[in-house]
Amino acid sequence: DQQVKQNSPSLSVQEGRISILNCDYTNSMFDYFLWYKKYPAEGPTFLISISSIKDKNEDGRFTVFLNKSAKHLSLHIVPSQPGDSAVYFCAASVQGGKLIFGQGTELSVKP
Amino acid sequence: EPEVTQTPSHQVTQMGQEVILRCVPISNHLYFYWYRQILGQKVEFLVSFYNNEISEKSEIFDDQFSVERPDGSNFTLKIRSTKLEDSAMYFCASSEFQGRGEKLFFGSGTQLSVL
Repeated sequence: DQQVKQNSPSLSVQEGRISILNCDYTNSMFDYFLWYKKYPAEGPTFLISISSIKDKNEDGRFTVFLNKSAKHLSLHIVPSQPGDSAVYFCAASVQGGKLIFGQGTELSVKP
Repeated sequence: EPEVTQTPSHQVTQMGQEVILRCVPISNHLYFYWYRQILGQKVEFLVSFYNNEISEKSEIFDDQFSVERPDGSNFTLKIRSTKLEDSAMYFCASSEFQGRGEKLFFGSGTQLSVL
């Protein structure tokens, strides 16, 4: 099942700089996209979501951009902090609670 | 902040044995889910549950799996006869509503090891 793909398994960023995490999808029926963050030994924690009818949603340091024509979304974290170091999952839903997850990108923010 | 609680955090079992994974969802939530993550792979949807019924299940959720809400607070996943490939981290989740990007709250997971 490759409907949601995160092609970068890892990303390293300097503290204070921008982190950009990318996600691609294939199913044009997805109605919402969500980003979750996961620390070791914890479950995924919701970060931010975007409806398929929007192209941008912002919440504090986190902004998600959606490009429907390219079937691509990205999560921007500005400024990045060491506490942001975690695995970030992109997920998509089709009119229901079922989420389809990407493989995750491990973000490391270095002081 | 209210949280989803899962027990046990680790479960080791022999192949062919039955296991029950337990979850206490957030109290005012109505929708409950099980997901799993095999080591090195994606988080995968197993089943969703609402109003004492399964509302959706994946192809992974075969006859060996069942879910139950035995009382007003617990939500369980039973695997009748475990196989080696059932070894994974199992996450319970709950939500107040469903759809429209409603966020799911996940527990910390139960690491199931089948020997």
